[in-house]
Amino acid sequence: ETGVTQTPRHLVMGMTNKKSLKCEQHLGHNAMYWYKQSAKKPLELMFVYSLEERVENNSVPSRFSPECPNSSHLFLHLHTLQPEDSALYLCASSPGTAGNTIYFGEGSWLTVV
Amino acid sequence: GIQVEQSPPDLILQEGANSTLRCNFSDSVNNLQWFHQNPWGQLINLFYIPSGTKQNGRLSATTVATERYSLLYISSSQTTDSGVYFCAVGGTGNQFYFGTGTSLTVIP
Repeated sequence: ETGVTQTPRHLVMGMTNKKSLKCEQHLGHNAMYWYKQSAKKPLELMFVYSLEERVENNSVPSRFSPECPNSSHLFLHLHTLQPEDSALYLCASSPGTAGNTIYFGEGSWLTVV
Repeated sequence: GIQVEQSPPDLILQEGANSTLRCNFSDSVNNLQWFHQNPWGQLINLFYIPSGTKQNGRLSATTVATERYSLLYISSSQTTDSGVYFCAVGGTGNQFYFGTGTSLTVIP
């Protein structure tokens, strides 16, 4: 039980498909994050939400569209992706205060064909 | 943002050996965490250690905040210790900065 759950764990989609990744945190945290990790590369921050408001959009292409309907749920909507978008997408949450810790979900492995 | 450097980038150990992983950061931080990323991609929290020393079984960590570095010690390594170890530091608010990781392979 990680406290942060992601679905699906694996996703294969075509370049013309529309799909969504879902993240749910059970820790009562106020901040949620999407990170991208390509093969053998460090984590890249994509989006940060604090109390359901987007506070960071790290120059992510518009084919990635986040949604945070409440402080427990975070989605990443995917459309017209490219093969180079194939990666591990990690959701995380934190209490949202200085000196806090960050907790990750198990990740969603995405393959774009 | 805060720059985080980890060393070494790659490490191969014989089972039973000890190792030290290092994390240097460029500015004062509010927190520091060590993670282990397993082969399935999940990032497991190892330590929350903004300063001082902590131990958990065969693993221990020390952070010297005034000198802006942290060390992760792995003793009597096992094959299950293989994976990538990340250091992450927290700035103000919700910002976290990650190092590029140390890839550890423990061979039997």
